[in-house]
This record gives sequence, structure tokens and C-alpha cells, in this order.
Amino acid sequence: DTGVSQDPRHKITKRGQNVTFRCDPISEHNRLYWYRQTLGQGPEFLTYFQNEAQLEKSRLLSDRFSAERPKGSFSTLEIQRTEQGDSAMYLCASSLDPGRALETQYFGPGTRLLVL
Amino acid sequence: SQQGEEDPQALSIQEGENATMNCSYKTSINNLQWYRQNSGRGLVHLILIRSNEREKHSGRLRVTLDTSKKSSSLLITASRAADTASYFCATEMYSGGGADGLTFGKGTHLIIQP
Repeated sequence: DTGVSQDPRHKITKRGQNVTFRCDPISEHNRLYWYRQTLGQGPEFLTYFQNEAQLEKSRLLSDRFSAERPKGSFSTLEIQRTEQGDSAMYLCASSLDPGRALETQYFGPGTRLLVL
Repeated sequence: SQQGEEDPQALSIQEGENATMNCSYKTSINNLQWYRQNSGRGLVHLILIRSNEREKHSGRLRVTLDTSKKSSSLLITASRAADTASYFCATEMYSGGGADGLTFGKGTHLIIQP
């Protein structure tokens, strides 16, 4: 399967702990996006990368959140000092450069985070 | 904030019937996309329509876009049980040096009854 993969699929943590999620995009895609989805809502954009450069961050991304894509391939999303309000599904997506054909974002299965 | 708003929030129909769901958005867009999400397969891209297109077809799917009304509709014909899922519209805007992320609505939850 050459789709977007995410690890872990589920994470349960205690409030105040740090967590890190990983996303592996489709290999030829140079754009990578992170979204957050809570129950009953659509996904909300957090941040995206063009290769290794982080080009945009949503206001939703507080200082406790940090994302990296060091080599322009996989990406990590870290949440420090987790809060119960961080409980959500964290989705990763990838796409080709928009200068090419129409940009479709392909989503991974998500990491479901529960903060106790 | 969520730009797209789907209508209805929930829809239940019999297998074989057609399902229509609508999406409204607030600002100018470059394209609009429809996604499907169910517990088994996550978020799956269905179809993309550009702002200069009015209608697009893909298999049993038909999407329309009315930029003057800032609205889009998704029609699923001859529905099947496997179509049971949540359907989201997502809009994309370009700003500054590149594309912004997608902005999703809250979705329409479609149930196909056998």
C-alpha cells in the first residue's frame, strides 16, 4: 500500500504528558498537511509543509504544538503538556505541488488521541 | 473556522434512491472538493471541481458548483449500502506564496437503509 500512513493509530495519554505522532506521505508528494478533527466536526487545518519548509500555521496551533519535516519526507507532530481539549483525531495528508495538475490531498487513517 | 456548511446534517434514504447534499461557502475559492469519511477507510477524496467549472461527473457522482451563490451540490445516484458515510465539502484558497490548507464543513451524515 503506497498511501499516506500514520503512526500510532491510537494513543491514550495522561494530561501533562508529551506525545509525538508520525506521518509518512505518498513518496512523490512534496506537500504535507496536518489537520485535527473532533467528534461531529470536519477536519480543521493545522499546518503544512512544502518539502521541509513549514509554510503556514493555523491559529489553532498553540505554542504547545510543533511540527517538523526534517528531510522533506516524513513529518512529526508533537504536543507538549497535553490537555484534555487536545483529544481528537489528528489527520495527515499529502499532495503534489499545485503548480502541476489539480491538487488533491490524500489523507492518512489518522491518529486518535485521548487525553485522560 | 469552518467555511463550508453542508446541508442536511443527516440524511437517511433507501438503497437505490438518489442522495443529494448541499454545501455553501463564504469566500471566493479556487476549487471545491468533496470527501467521504467512514470508520473503515478514513477520509477519501471523491471529486474536485474548479471554480470555472459548473458541473462534473465521476461514476455515480455528480457535482455542481454555482460560484454566484457560493454553493455546491453532490448527487449520488442509485445509492448502495456502502455509500453510508459522512460527506464533507472542502474549499481551497490560494494566498501569498502558496496554497492554504483545505477548509471543511461539518459534513452530511448519510445512511443508506437496505
